[in-house]
Amino acid sequence: NAGVTQTPKFQVLKTGQSMTLQCAQDMNHNSMYWYRQDPGMGLRLIYYSASEGTTDKGEVPNGYNVSRLNKREFSLRLESAAPSQTSVYFCASSEDSWGGTQYFGPGTRLLVL
Amino acid sequence: GDSVTQMEGPVTLSEEAFLTINCTYTATGYPSLFWYVQYPGEGLQLLLKATKADDKGSNKGFEATYRKETTSFHLEKGSVQVSDSAVYFCALSDRGGSARQLTFGSGTQLTVLP
Repeated sequence: NAGVTQTPKFQVLKTGQSMTLQCAQDMNHNSMYWYRQDPGMGLRLIYYSASEGTTDKGEVPNGYNVSRLNKREFSLRLESAAPSQTSVYFCASSEDSWGGTQYFGPGTRLLVL
Repeated sequence: GDSVTQMEGPVTLSEEAFLTINCTYTATGYPSLFWYVQYPGEGLQLLLKATKADDKGSNKGFEATYRKETTSFHLEKGSVQVSDSAVYFCALSDRGGSARQLTFGSGTQLTVLP
């Protein structure tokens, strides 16, 4: 039982490049989330998916897109990376859609030059 | 909107010292409250939670009591260990307001010295 997995662990991009961060969970959870973590700011929600087939914007969605591929997988795409998107990205999942107990992946550290 | 305010860090303690990390919140509805812990290089892990007023969450010697009258959820541990060194996040989930997400505090870095 791996829980929540994320790939890659670390990535360096040049400004304007695109990339997709992958997330998968094996706990049969309905809801999945993408957060970014910046120093002194805690975690901020980018997008979430309350159930398969639905996605909604969080607090900081600009510059990102998401796809809920199936119940297990939720990807985050940066179409044209900017230095302001340098951050650590965490995926999480939860059994219900009310943002209760969430289970986090190990994170992806992204550096945009 | 919902918000969580945490005690500023970093906090440095000697082993076996008493720990308190303050957390207060603002919410429009009836929040559940959480403490998450992040060890170096890892994702966040749930430490404890409380879902209604006067509930006490506890785990691994850590405790926090949901105080509605003071809108607080302070984290305490009677005797910290070096292995407790981590970043601690207070968070809330508001069922009555904009549900479906956790609102996090900014985190408190704890270092425990032997």
